[in-house]
Amino acid sequence: KAGVTQTPRYLIKTRGQQVTLSCSPISGHRSVSWYQQTPGQGLQFLFEYFSETQRNKGNFPGRFSGRQFSNSRSEMNVSTLELGDSALYLCASSPQQHEQYFGPGTRLTVT
Amino acid sequence: DQQVKQNSPSLSVQEGRISILNCDYTNSMFDYFLWYKKYPAEGPTFLISISSIKDKNEDGRFTVFLNKSAKHLSLHIVPSQPGDSAVYFCAAEDSNYQLIWGAGTKLIIKP
Repeated sequence: KAGVTQTPRYLIKTRGQQVTLSCSPISGHRSVSWYQQTPGQGLQFLFEYFSETQRNKGNFPGRFSGRQFSNSRSEMNVSTLELGDSALYLCASSPQQHEQYFGPGTRLTVT
Repeated sequence: DQQVKQNSPSLSVQEGRISILNCDYTNSMFDYFLWYKKYPAEGPTFLISISSIKDKNEDGRFTVFLNKSAKHLSLHIVPSQPGDSAVYFCAAEDSNYQLIWGAGTKLIIKP
């Protein structure tokens, strides 16, 4: 099976702009979770989608949003970008529970 | 409050010796635990997991031990190899199938 893919791999944006990141899960996986990792920090949970519904949500402001499509692909959107949003954004897919399989991440730099 | 804690930010071990990474949790309702390994600029990779009905699970050089009464789990790597140098995260699954992550421990294997 192909692994989790994320696009783009690298992105540079300016403060105030918005960005959309994409994630394609492993075939057959219905759950997609998004995480933010900043230097020296662990994985900060953003949200999880299961069968097109947001099942769990972390403690991030409303500027961070997501959605999942009927084919389980997911997008994450960040509006009004701030310098502190510079991070590695990771997507993980799971059949339903337990192990999550991560993509390579999207490195977002906000200048 | 941190429900999953990895109190050692880093650990240095001689090649060939045993590496022991520790993780504590506070929520007695957690019933599934996982360990992940992460290299810089990559997504975490699933290593090994354990259900709360067990106290040990072994996979090659990796063994995870669970002590439910102490709310403590540990990952043993024997023998440690240079390629094991990475950040190791422990995670616990809650009743909503969300993974709660520790902050990670950076393992350095010295030649």
